[in-house]
Amino acid sequence: GDSVTQMEGPVTLSEEAFLTINCTYTATGYPSLFWYVQYPGEGLQLLLKATKADDKGSNKGFEATYRKETTSFHLEKGSVQVSDSAVYFCALRNAGGTSYGKLTFGQGTILTVHP
Amino acid sequence: DSGVTQTPKHLITATGQRVTLRCSPRSGDLSVYWYQQSLDQGLQFLIQYYNGEERAKGNILERFSAQQFPDLHSELNLSSLELGDSALYFCASSVDQGRRDTQYFGPGTRLTVL
Repeated sequence: GDSVTQMEGPVTLSEEAFLTINCTYTATGYPSLFWYVQYPGEGLQLLLKATKADDKGSNKGFEATYRKETTSFHLEKGSVQVSDSAVYFCALRNAGGTSYGKLTFGQGTILTVHP
Repeated sequence: DSGVTQTPKHLITATGQRVTLRCSPRSGDLSVYWYQQSLDQGLQFLIQYYNGEERAKGNILERFSAQQFPDLHSELNLSSLELGDSALYFCASSVDQGRRDTQYFGPGTRLTVL
């Protein structure tokens, strides 16, 4: 079945540092890929998405490129802020069969940014 | 604010009891999904409804059931509760059910079983 693997956390950075959170996936067909963010005590918010190979999703300074050849969707940000401290989830969504649109999530990566 | 509402925000109950979690999707969204978030299992898909019909089932226990009503709101019923059912339960909605469609999540219901 489909699966998503994220880099082990937690990740601790200083403000203005460069961020990379690795995400790789296993799936049949051509899934869409997503990054969601969960701030403390809140639900999941969509951060960015990509629906086909070589697409780049971007939002709020975050970027991720859908790499089919390496089955990856790594999240990057050039300069993190304290307000970026949250849990980040990589997810994929396939279609057809019994998957029918459900999201398959990675285990989440806790990011803490210090001033 | 995603536009998806969930009630109640918190629920504390005892083992063996039954509870109902409610979700109202975003206006215009036909598809509703339920997910469970726990420390040991992470985020797991439970069940999906589309325009009132069940479309997909994930790791949902037989003690759990759900339905989507004509006004498109959904309820997740959890019965014979066990300590291990303590978790955060999220509802999400989307316009359709295609792979490109974005799911928008509610704030969740935190269930504590004592």
